[in-house]
Amino acid sequence: EAGVAQSPRYKIIEKRQSVAFWCNPISGHATLYWYQQILGQGPKLLIQFQNNGVVDDSQLPKDRFSAERLKGVDSTLKIQPAKLEDSAVYLCASSAGLAGGQETQYFGPGTRLLVL
Amino acid sequence: QKEVEQNSGPLSVPEGAIASLNCTYSDRGSQSFFWYRQYSGKSPELIMFIYSNGDKEDGRFTAQLNKASQYVSLLIRDSQPSDSATYLCAVSGDDKIIFGKGTRLHILP
Repeated sequence: EAGVAQSPRYKIIEKRQSVAFWCNPISGHATLYWYQQILGQGPKLLIQFQNNGVVDDSQLPKDRFSAERLKGVDSTLKIQPAKLEDSAVYLCASSAGLAGGQETQYFGPGTRLLVL
Repeated sequence: QKEVEQNSGPLSVPEGAIASLNCTYSDRGSQSFFWYRQYSGKSPELIMFIYSNGDKEDGRFTAQLNKASQYVSLLIRDSQPSDSATYLCAVSGDDKIIFGKGTRLHILP
């Protein structure tokens, strides 16, 4: 079974530029998550999708971050414009069930973003 | 605000000894508890999950949950150098999951 795929693996941009990340979850997984992990900290949930609907985006900085999950499969996360403090690893995860509460999440390899 | 607390470490344990990792959480309504291992530069991978009070064993790993005291722990028996990593505690309820900052574990050869 293929795991969660993410691209690109690394990205370096200058502040105020835009960047987009892509995630392809495990086939058949209904729930998809985007996390931000700053060095030395645990993952922070940015947004959670159930199929193509948003379950939780309370910690997503909506003035600069946006995400979509068209057709309930792949997802993209965009930052526009980027700030220095956005430098982090962006992790995508997926789980099988309709609700995230008791489902095991499987993580992709992450995208390392450096904003200069 | 719901929180998950872990000692950041590093926790140094001699090879072959038992490593004990602890986690406390603030939300009494939490239902599911997970331990993830994260090697440096890698993404988290699930080690164990536990839903009910008591102990759950899987190989060298034992998860312990005490909902009354709001803590969950992970014991690693016969610690190996390959166990050196950051261990993340995650707690979920009401469809929301919160991760702790993780505890760095260093197994001394």
